[in-house]
Amino acid sequence: DIQMTQSPSSLSASVGDRVTITCRASQRIYSYLNWYQQKPGKAPEVLIYATSRLQSGVPSRFSGSGSGTDFTLTINSLQPEDFATYFCQQTYSTPPWTFGQGTKVEIK
Amino acid sequence: QVQLVESGGGVVQPGRSLRLSCSASGFAFSNHAMHWVRQAPGKGLEWVAVIWDDGSTKYYTDSVEGRFTISRDNSKNTLSLQMNSLRAEDTAVYFCARETISEAGTWNWFDSWGQGTLVTVSS
Repeated sequence: DIQMTQSPSSLSASVGDRVTITCRASQRIYSYLNWYQQKPGKAPEVLIYATSRLQSGVPSRFSGSGSGTDFTLTINSLQPEDFATYFCQQTYSTPPWTFGQGTKVEIK
Repeated sequence: QVQLVESGGGVVQPGRSLRLSCSASGFAFSNHAMHWVRQAPGKGLEWVAVIWDDGSTKYYTDSVEGRFTISRDNSKNTLSLQMNSLRAEDTAVYFCARETISEAGTWNWFDSWGQGTLVTVSS
């Protein structure tokens, strides 16, 4: 199975900051990498699919990049509603389509 | 609008069974692969199982293989997860999720999720 490792596991940031979260796959997954945001007590919501494609309705301050095994989610100008936990997910080849362990973005 | 509503969660003793359901509405259910994803209390997301749009193919994570069975009824827009021989480590919120594929058929992601149903395995 492909393992996904996110870093950091948590971070503290202020409104207006630029935040970067990384995700590393245990083998090449090309661009089959999605990012989700989850707020406490809620279901996850997709932000970005296929590494860099923004889901409809997601603010443009969210962006994704990478390829192969290393990927990045960037949030430009962090907003109050962005404080949440973020998960990467690979969907390369056949299941299991594993998630990273999550990165919690907290208010500094 | 797209809606997924899970039901069937509860408290169950180790070794017993439970059946979860996910009722779908607002979209062509039979056109989408469907997944179960779970989240243990305070933990991350764990993919559990998938069933293809026509029910022809199913995959499971190793830890539930042989104990859980995913199924669907496209005539009733319903996804199910039969969970047998439950263990304490199966305690989690279980989400159903819809898979969407890009127009070119290249990319796939989970674009709609239910609110989740809590399963607690405890004596």
